Amino acid sequence: GESVGLHLPTLSVQEGDNSIINCAYSNSASDYFIWYKQESGKGPQFIIDIRSNMDKRQGQRVTVLLNKTVKHLSLQIAATQPGDSAVYFCAEANVGADGLTFGKGTHLIIQP
Amino acid sequence: DTEVTQTPKHLVMGMTNKKSLKCEQHMGHRAMYWYKQKAKKPPELMFVYSYEKLSINESVPSRFSPECPNSSLLNLHLHALQPEDSALYLCASTPIGAGLTDTQYFGPGTRLTVL
Repeated sequence: GESVGLHLPTLSVQEGDNSIINCAYSNSASDYFIWYKQESGKGPQFIIDIRSNMDKRQGQRVTVLLNKTVKHLSLQIAATQPGDSAVYFCAEANVGADGLTFGKGTHLIIQP
Repeated sequence: DTEVTQTPKHLVMGMTNKKSLKCEQHMGHRAMYWYKQKAKKPPELMFVYSYEKLSINESVPSRFSPECPNSSLLNLHLHALQPEDSALYLCASTPIGAGLTDTQYFGPGTRLTVL
């Protein structure tokens, strides 16, 4: 399944499937990007980050892809599990700025 | 200790009350942040402290007053709030001073309800 984080707030996938969450950013000066997972009633939890000198970074079951040409960021989650159900936010920052600018978020629902 | 803690978890207050939110981290982080998050919305930056000095105030009303007593503590003093201020208030910290990109670690938040 695939979603555009800014235009499709909810993504529903079957347990065990791979999911892709997309995010478009607007500031071409941004050079640092983070994906956060936020479960209901909790604060955002760091998942993975990537700097602008890279186009791909892998973690455990997660991969972040960065396309600076079209200002697009994606989060791939392999073999989704029920615990992956949450809202996923992309966030961007640049040297010289303070704080993060968050995208609108995508609600990932894992179907049994 | 590798976490950001926030107290209280929940707070209900009237519009004439004065209350404070507290945030604490013992990771040696030198930048701390307050964010406000409304339901189904992303967090929005309110204040940034870098090396215990306020470096950013994102046009936040004066009824919100931040304080950084030391490098481990960050407070948010609340006075004469409005019902629309009801939200989840998140604290975050970064290892190095704000202005240099690094991962922000968030606390669990304080759920504030203003009656």
